[in-house]
Amino acid sequence: DIVMTQSPDSLAVSLGERATINCKSSQSVLLSSNNKNYLAWYQQKSGQPPRLLIYWASTRQSGVPDRFSGSGSGTDFTLTISSLQAEDVAVYYCQQGYSNPYTFGQGTKLEIK
Amino acid sequence: EVQLLESGGALVQPGGSLRLSCAASGFTFSSNDMTWVRQAPGKALEWVSSINHNGANTFYVDSVKGRFTISRDNSKNTLYLQMNSLRPEDTAVYFCAKHVAGINSATNDWGQGTRVTVS
Repeated sequence: DIVMTQSPDSLAVSLGERATINCKSSQSVLLSSNNKNYLAWYQQKSGQPPRLLIYWASTRQSGVPDRFSGSGSGTDFTLTISSLQAEDVAVYYCQQGYSNPYTFGQGTKLEIK
Repeated sequence: EVQLLESGGALVQPGGSLRLSCAASGFTFSSNDMTWVRQAPGKALEWVSSINHNGANTFYVDSVKGRFTISRDNSKNTLYLQMNSLRPEDTAVYFCAKHVAGINSATNDWGQGTRVTVS
């Protein structure tokens, strides 16, 4: 199984500042045949289902604000929120779709400092 | 507008069975691969099972293999999860989700979830 490890477990950032969350996979999730990284990022606010933010490691889902961006390839990935807003308080998860079982990271809790 | 509505969650004793349903609308259900994800209280998301668009291919996390069965009825636009031999560790909110593309792709629409308690 591919193990997804996020860092940090929790993060406090001031409004308007940058937030960075990392995700490392135990093996590469890059499929060489199509050059796609099978890595997605989700946001989950309290009491709500997850919301897709980023897929293929860097493609922003329709309707997601452009302050959210994804980067990385192979085994190391980053979700960046360029200017934190109050509504971004949530838990963020990465997930790999490269191989079954399609494992999630343990989550990163983002709060306002 | 895409809508996914889960139902069937309940309190059940260990060893019991439940059948979860996910009624889909607002998209061509028969063209989309679907997934169940669960979340135990206060815990992270856990992928449980996926099924391709026509039901020919199914996938499970090891902890539910042989106990859970995913299926779909494309004529009814409904996804199912038959859960047998339930254990306390199956206690969770179960979400159904629709994939962006194939099963390996991300899930871009989620239901609100249905709560299963095994106790």
